Amino acid sequence: KNEVEQSPQNLTAQEGEFITINCSYSVGISALHWLQQHPGGGIVSLFMLSSGKKKHGRLIATINIQEKHSSLHITASHPRDSAVYICAVAGAGSYQLTFGKGTKLSVIP
Amino acid sequence: KAGVTQTPRYLIKTRGQQVTLSCSPISGHRSVSWYQQTPGQGLQFLFEYFSETQRNKGNFPGRFSGRQFSNSRSEMNVSTLELGDSALYLCASSLMAGGHYNEQFFGPGTRLTVL
Repeated sequence: KNEVEQSPQNLTAQEGEFITINCSYSVGISALHWLQQHPGGGIVSLFMLSSGKKKHGRLIATINIQEKHSSLHITASHPRDSAVYICAVAGAGSYQLTFGKGTKLSVIP
Repeated sequence: KAGVTQTPRYLIKTRGQQVTLSCSPISGHRSVSWYQQTPGQGLQFLFEYFSETQRNKGNFPGRFSGRQFSNSRSEMNVSTLELGDSALYLCASSLMAGGHYNEQFFGPGTRLTVL
């Protein structure tokens, strides 16, 4: 069974700061997802990656398959980025996603 | 294109009852996955369907079941409800088989409260 660890659990940042959220997993995977959940429950898929790096606007996601580690970066953070960020992995050959506990981000104006 | 819809949005039931939740995927999406989210356990995978076939099931008791129809709409059913079944139930659709290999689009969820 894949274990997914996220850090930090909680993060408070000032508007404009550069933010990094980390995700580590224990066994090989076929894909890793970064999700964003706002208060009220709605979940949005930010990235799905299996290697390298992806960028959407101010968000950047990287993955290192050998080290079993991924990071989500937010540049020039804004209060609207306040949300819970969740890492999820799909094990090799599995149709099942395993989720981290999430990182609660609060960006203060 | 309309997003993923889930009905009902909120539901209150009592212990021992059963409940059916519905999920309509994005038009053209054939894979539907269901998840349970609780404060204690976080998000957990329930099951995934593709072309009316359940491809995998998470570690949940047999009281949790589901199905998918030919139009890709999916339902999940929980029988003999327990207090611990109170949770946000989310479904997500994706275009192709093996939803985890593809971007998933989540519905707003159904918040179930068991009294």
